Amino acid sequence: QVQLVQSGAEVKEPGASVKVSCKTSGYTFSMNGVSWVRQAPGQGLEWMGWINPYNGNTNYAQKVQGRVSLTTDTSTTTAYMELRSLRSDDTAVYYCTRDGPYGGYVAYWGQGTLVTVSS
Amino acid sequence: EIVLTQSPATLSLSPGERATLSCGATQSIRSNYLAWYQQKPGLAPRLLIFEASHRATGIPDRFSGSGSGTDFTLTISRLEPEDFAVYYCQQYGTSLRTFGQGTKVEIK
Repeated sequence: QVQLVQSGAEVKEPGASVKVSCKTSGYTFSMNGVSWVRQAPGQGLEWMGWINPYNGNTNYAQKVQGRVSLTTDTSTTTAYMELRSLRSDDTAVYYCTRDGPYGGYVAYWGQGTLVTVSS
Repeated sequence: EIVLTQSPATLSLSPGERATLSCGATQSIRSNYLAWYQQKPGLAPRLLIFEASHRATGIPDRFSGSGSGTDFTLTISRLEPEDFAVYYCQQYGTSLRTFGQGTKVEIK
């Protein structure tokens, strides 16, 4: 079965960077896009960006463009999200997700990684 | 980017009642690439509907989606106790995907 297993919670100071990993299994990694979605405490879902593991093409939301980098390692079927210059309003649960077989909706979700930005 | 506006923000209903949730877009969504998700506290969201009206695997038929262009609707025909949750719409018709702000369905 499809699984997306994310790395553990992180606590970072303002201005630092964080890199969250997402180990996938149960499907052919290069065949489906991976998006990252975050959710601040008590708030809604925010789409951050998308990567095509086959060719590395990416799209980023305007709000985080320039601070976020999405990458993949096809040898380990792992996706990564790095966010730089962290601010307090980056505190959120970060989800890696996999596209559905028929388009860019989210068919599968990781368990989420809480990133706390605090001095 | 396409902005999605969900209404109402909160829907207070009793079990057995019908729930109608709306999602409006600032521009027409290509090929009706609109999805609906359900989220319960502390859990990741779950896909309910994709391409506006296609139920995901394992989703009960009391959930249905409709609409096209800029106006979409999620209907829960008869609310079950486990349906009280927050619901989000998402468009994936453009390379910059976006979510609505959510509708909370609460017990009256």
